[in-house]
Amino acid sequence: NAGVTQTPKFQVLKTGQSMTLQCAQDMNHEYMSWYRQDPGMGLRLIHYSVGAGITDQGEVPNGYNVSRSTTEDFPLRLLSAAPSQTSVYFCASRRGGATFNSNQPQHFGDGTRLSIL
Amino acid sequence: SQQGEEDPQALSIQEGENATMNCSYKTSINNLQWYRQNSGRGLVHLILIRSNEREKHSGRLRVTLDTSKKSSSLLITASRAADTASYFCATDARTGANNLFFGTGTRLTVIP
Repeated sequence: NAGVTQTPKFQVLKTGQSMTLQCAQDMNHEYMSWYRQDPGMGLRLIHYSVGAGITDQGEVPNGYNVSRSTTEDFPLRLLSAAPSQTSVYFCASRRGGATFNSNQPQHFGDGTRLSIL
Repeated sequence: SQQGEEDPQALSIQEGENATMNCSYKTSINNLQWYRQNSGRGLVHLILIRSNEREKHSGRLRVTLDTSKKSSSLLITASRAADTASYFCATDARTGANNLFFGTGTRLTVIP
């Protein structure tokens, strides 16, 4: 199994550009999430989804959109990139949706390193 | 923010020594998890301890949980150079989708 796959691994954008970070998992997990990791800040939750067709905001959702049309895919869109969005982005998935207890580990991709000039 | 905090921020030890990392959190939890992150990679789940458990072991890992103090510790015994990584604790929100909230991490360096 590939697990959680994120593309691209690296990206440089100019301020104002838009782009989509891709995330796919092959474990049939209901729950998927996006985090950003900044130095000294740990990981912060951007958006999450408890199943196809359902998304919700996390701690830091501003400037990002998500959709979940299939169980496998959970893309993250930057609408108009800003230098403050320079970060490493991680996608994660786990078994269980909205009513499932969180006693399941999350599986992470290897991240997308995004720089915005 | 529900984010926890690890202590210390960085730890450097000799191979063979034990490494202890601490985590404090703010809200009531269902469980607490520890993750490891090697440089340039994603996080990997190490161990989960439920709120009604006080101690759990997995190989060279020992985790304790004190819900009255809202704190946890991760002990790695007989450390190896390959244990060099960042370690994060994560707590669930105990509401809604039980999202995980991560601490700021401890950077462990094991010197051969």
